[in-house]
Amino acid sequence: DAKTTQPPSMDCAEGRAANLPCNHSTISGNEYVYWYRQIHSQGPQYIIHGLKNNETNEMASLIITEDRKSSTLILPHATLRDTAVYYCIVFRNNFNKFYFGSGTKLNVKP
Amino acid sequence: GAVVSQHPSWVICKSGTSVKIECRSLDFQATTMFWYRQFPKQSLMLMATSNEGSKATYEQGVEKDKFLINHASLTLSTLTVTSAHPEDSSFYICSARGGDRGSYGYTFGSGTRLTVV
Repeated sequence: DAKTTQPPSMDCAEGRAANLPCNHSTISGNEYVYWYRQIHSQGPQYIIHGLKNNETNEMASLIITEDRKSSTLILPHATLRDTAVYYCIVFRNNFNKFYFGSGTKLNVKP
Repeated sequence: GAVVSQHPSWVICKSGTSVKIECRSLDFQATTMFWYRQFPKQSLMLMATSNEGSKATYEQGVEKDKFLINHASLTLSTLTVTSAHPEDSSFYICSARGGDRGSYGYTFGSGTRLTVV
């Protein structure tokens, strides 16, 4: 599976949009981009995933560049409860293993 | 939905004893489950893949005799840390694929905090 690169940490003001970038320049055509987050001392929580089109759900939006070499997770109105480590994972949907990178620690501040 | 239940949520044991952690898929069947370990301020590290009805496969560097995995049914996988030592103290997390996310994505348990004293 392709490797991902994320900034180690980011700050965001409460109520503002949080934009979390991820580079995956070696992604293959059949690999999806997944985002999970881990709030302190809990298991990872699924957020969103996509292949090449932009995706939106009740939690977030996922913007994937046309060349698919990078993506951005957008939390439209960050709250203090969104403070967590966010993981970007590329994954092939044929029962391959899920490997986690180092993630981005998002600090939402009042 | 897709819910994975992990038990216990935390455990303290004496050095040299064994500890069993259970991972259950509550509303779906999971032929494959995964076990992770996470040390403080680090990312999740995949330890092994648990396969229903067959032997688990371990990642490189993970001692299979120390971390015994049993996947006896389609909804239950167990991880036993044998002869635990303080360096085995960690956060252990399981995951499974299935449920309403069907053929994609994984659902994670809430984790087990193991402290060996």
